[in-house]
Amino acid sequence: DGGITQSPKYLFRKEGQNVTLSCEQNLNHDAMYWYRQDPGQGLRLIYYSQIVNDFQKGDIAEGYSVSREKKESFPLTVTSAQKNPTAFYLCASSIGTADTQYFGPGTRLTVL
Amino acid sequence: EDQVTQSPEALRLQEGESSSLNCSYTVSGLRGLFWYRQDPGKGPEFLFTLYSAGEEKEKERLKATLTKKESFLHITAPKPEDSATYLCAVPKWTGTASKLTFGTGTRLQVTL
Repeated sequence: DGGITQSPKYLFRKEGQNVTLSCEQNLNHDAMYWYRQDPGQGLRLIYYSQIVNDFQKGDIAEGYSVSREKKESFPLTVTSAQKNPTAFYLCASSIGTADTQYFGPGTRLTVL
Repeated sequence: EDQVTQSPEALRLQEGESSSLNCSYTVSGLRGLFWYRQDPGKGPEFLFTLYSAGEEKEKERLKATLTKKESFLHITAPKPEDSATYLCAVPKWTGTASKLTFGTGTRLQVTL
């Protein structure tokens, strides 16, 4: 079954800790994305990658970091510098950035 | 600034009561418009892509239309399983990549 998986589904973090969210796709897509979703707001782009070993900042990259060492994987690290990290995080992928984006099931991060 | 506005924010329909959701945008040089459905706690599910004014697409009880300034998602004879948040998104070319701007969604509830 082709698709996008995200893990974990729920994540709890203490203030001051870094956490890494996993995103894997087996759709053979070149482009991958991380979005953040907060109540009452549209999805906001954190980082995106058009190709392996390359990524660009989105609209709200501060306090986040990513890597793209493999085509299938695009992990997101939420660092302690992110002031308000509690949110629903969504990973997506597409053939290219002009193509339809398909989303994973999401990870809900809660900072205690 | 590019904006995508969805209305209404919330809509409650009785089963069988048809209605329309609106997505208006101010992005210049439109390169398409995407509709997604999102169930609570899950990632958005792709519904339609529309590329040019006058284009229409249908899927079961849903029909999406596009003009130069807005898109409508028409829901005919809805059923309770159509209850979800419906998101629209508009791409904008940055010169090196296409990035999506999302609306905040319309939360649809269909009751018996």
